[in-house]
Amino acid sequence: DGGITQSPKYLFRKEGQNVTLSCEQNLNHDAMYWYRQDPGQGLRLIYYSQIVNDFQKGDIAEGYSVSREKKESFPLTVTSAQKNPTAFYLCASSINGYTDTQYFGPGTRLTVL
Amino acid sequence: AQSVTQPDIHITVSEGASLELRCNYSYGATPYLFWYVQSPGQGLQLLLKYFSGDTLVQGIKGFEAEFKRSQSSFNLRKPSVHWSDAAEYFCAVGAESGGSNYKLTFGKGTLLTVNP
Repeated sequence: DGGITQSPKYLFRKEGQNVTLSCEQNLNHDAMYWYRQDPGQGLRLIYYSQIVNDFQKGDIAEGYSVSREKKESFPLTVTSAQKNPTAFYLCASSINGYTDTQYFGPGTRLTVL
Repeated sequence: AQSVTQPDIHITVSEGASLELRCNYSYGATPYLFWYVQSPGQGLQLLLKYFSGDTLVQGIKGFEAEFKRSQSSFNLRKPSVHWSDAAEYFCAVGAESGGSNYKLTFGKGTLLTVNP
């Protein structure tokens, strides 16, 4: 079955540690996205990538980094510079830009202790 | 830049009752409009989308939405709610923004509770 996988589902880290969240898709989509979700805040865009080896900052990129070395993979690193990293993180992909449906993964809940 | 407002943070309805979730957007032209649903602790699933043409759009799970240009609205409706519809619903707008054709702007969501 085609889809998006995110791992792990739950992640715990100590304050000051970097952590990398995985996102893989087998939909052959060019575009991939990372969103952060906090209660009552909706989804906020962290980074997006239109094509391999290219990515752009979203609305809340500070304290995060990404890479896009393969079409199917778009990992997100939450660095120690992110002041409030505890949140639910969602990865998505689409064929192309905003005119296309975005398909979402199941999410990773990150808790920083 | 575009924006999306979902005026109702939380709505409670009885099973079998009708439902309308409100969505208002701000954008200079007609944007691409989406409704997504999210069950607790899960990702989002597309219910329906509007690009152009017929302003009444049918989606999955018996949902429909109506685009009203004069009111800048894209309200989601269902004639008879089932207990399994309890979830959070997000309206989203897609439009060119800051030179990017890849950004969706989401509303803050409406949490739907269904009473038996």
